[in-house]
Amino acid sequence: ETGVTQTPRHLVMGMTNKKSLKCEQHLGHNAMYWYKQSAKKPLELMFVYNFKEQTENNSVPSRFSPECPNSSHLFLHLHTLQPEDSALYLCASSLTSGGGANEQFFGPGTRLTVL
Amino acid sequence: GIQVEQSPPDLILQEGANSTLRCNFSDSVNNLQWFHQNPWGQLINLFYIPSGTKQNGRLSATTVATERYSLLYISSSQTTDSGVYFCAVMFSGGYNKLIFGAGTRLAVHP
Repeated sequence: ETGVTQTPRHLVMGMTNKKSLKCEQHLGHNAMYWYKQSAKKPLELMFVYNFKEQTENNSVPSRFSPECPNSSHLFLHLHTLQPEDSALYLCASSLTSGGGANEQFFGPGTRLTVL
Repeated sequence: GIQVEQSPPDLILQEGANSTLRCNFSDSVNNLQWFHQNPWGQLINLFYIPSGTKQNGRLSATTVATERYSLLYISSSQTTDSGVYFCAVMFSGGYNKLIFGAGTRLAVHP
């Protein structure tokens, strides 16, 4: 148990569906992250939020829409996804996102399949 | 370009054996973490080690920042050590991204 939870753990959706992934951290951190892990690829950073403000969008398509209502919660809203978006989506948190000395802790991930 | 390279890509061990995993990085770093990803996808923090040496039970890690590499040592391996080991770094040159290597896939057989 890392102090970061994600729901759902598994999700199957059609290309026309709209769904949301949820992440919650209980560590008192101020920065939260979304990562994507596709088969046979390194983890890729998608978005960074620091004190509820988005500080990084790593050229992610607009069909992925993040939301950070407070420092403890992070959502990833999904719509009109493609089969190639099937992957493990990981959420992480750290004390802050700026500078060094910021160890990141990861949730268990949501395994997404787009049909 | 900015790179994080891990070796070997795959490793097979008999239970009880020792191993060394390596992570090379292309620039100075202010954050380096080692993770173990279990078969269910969970990334487990092993070490936060931008420099120096740390030990935790059968695992230890050393980062030589001036020579841009880090090593993860696993001693007396167990079947539960199986999985993928990732090195991830945050470069000092104005970036705030944790960049992951491709990982070392370890299989420990009884």
